[in-house]
Amino acid sequence: SAVISQKPSRDICQRGTSLTIQCQVDSQVTMMFWYRQQPGQSLTLIATANQGSEATYESGFVIDKFPISRPNLTFSTLTVSNMSPEDSSIYLCSVLGAGRSYEQYFGPGTRLTVT
Amino acid sequence: RKEVEQDPGPFNVPEGATVAFNCTYSNSASQSFFWYRQDCRKEPKLLMSVYSSGNEDGRFTAQLNRASQYISLLIRDSKLSDSATYLCVVNWGSQGNLIFGKGTKLSVKP
Repeated sequence: SAVISQKPSRDICQRGTSLTIQCQVDSQVTMMFWYRQQPGQSLTLIATANQGSEATYESGFVIDKFPISRPNLTFSTLTVSNMSPEDSSIYLCSVLGAGRSYEQYFGPGTRLTVT
Repeated sequence: RKEVEQDPGPFNVPEGATVAFNCTYSNSASQSFFWYRQDCRKEPKLLMSVYSSGNEDGRFTAQLNRASQYISLLIRDSKLSDSATYLCVVNWGSQGNLIFGKGTKLSVKP
């Protein structure tokens, strides 16, 4: 499986500010995803990051709040904009595996606290 | 509505015990099924994919019943290191989107 890194690993931010999270993969991958895991909850898909086109957002998530970039096949960023305490969460990127069965592999996550 | 339901847990078992987790999913068109393991404050890691014929990997056995939309994971001879949260995961749609269950916490005691 691919080696995935995320930066920053954690951050504490003030409400109203924005944070950009980076996801780097050590090999080219066709599909990258961004998830959120709120405290005590499971993972929720935010969006699929498409190379060369706009991200595809899930219901309840919008581009103005979570803009995503995917400039190439090894890198993506997620920005959490105009943050509020409700955005405190772990944000994880993942990549689609090379097999036929849609398995995904996750980065280590970014732990965000908004005060 | 996209749903994956799991046993709420937690499961507290002694070392050496056999433990079973169950999961149901709502989308009959789902094609891929997985069990992930998530340790505290870590990212989820793929434990095993689940195939229609059932599959086994060492002490772990996964079963899929498409008619009942039901997935199971059996862990034999539990080890202390098996303590984690086990997530039932189902794909949704043609883009490979995954829907995660809320997870079942397993604690294996000496």
